[in-house]
Amino acid sequence: SQQGEEDPQALSIQEGENATMNCSYKTSINNLQWYRQNSGRGLVHLILIRSNEREKHSGRLRVTLDTSKKSSSLLITASRAADTASYFCATAPLMNYGGSQGNLIFGKGTKLSVKP
Amino acid sequence: DAGVTQSPTHLIKTRGQQVTLRCSPKSGHDTVSWYQQALGQGPQFIFQYYEEEERQRGNFPDRFSGHQFPNYSSELNVNALLLGDSALYLCASSWTVFAGAPDTQYFGPGTRLTVL
Repeated sequence: SQQGEEDPQALSIQEGENATMNCSYKTSINNLQWYRQNSGRGLVHLILIRSNEREKHSGRLRVTLDTSKKSSSLLITASRAADTASYFCATAPLMNYGGSQGNLIFGKGTKLSVKP
Repeated sequence: DAGVTQSPTHLIKTRGQQVTLRCSPKSGHDTVSWYQQALGQGPQFIFQYYEEEERQRGNFPDRFSGHQFPNYSSELNVNALLLGDSALYLCASSWTVFAGAPDTQYFGPGTRLTVL
């Protein structure tokens, strides 16, 4: 079963604009990760944010995490045509001992299209 | 440094047949996870191997089995193939710290399996 729900399902923007994608999940997590997938091939890891972190940056990416609302957002600033891809959030469920067993639960993804 | 590699890239089988997919983890990684991604969906966790044993398993039938070798490479076997097994099969590798769970998982390009 899939835990995460990305919103929107599809997003189309112009180059240079910002893109924001949201993810909601159901159970307590150890960490949340964002991945990018081009044309149905392998996933590329973008960023990992732990449950005790609220915000993280990596280049043009900014991720926020709100554990009280069980939600996260991914912001891509100054988007480029090369950012066109599907973006997935994946959660690592929190186990009783406070850690994670390492399986990731993915949402269905947001398909981002950046027009030149 | 080679990333995660998978073979073959594409595979076509008929119902009832058996298939073996292969994965070589990223250098220095000791944990391999397998995921199934149906068209238009997010990846779903099949199982994870660590120290040559299945450490965790998702909601997949026993037709799905695996193996991890001493060099950390892994195989995914699927018996009695069904049409619904058609999907992209992704392998991910990671590093398990002590008895804790792996964090960032690095994905291979995937094997596209078509069952006719």
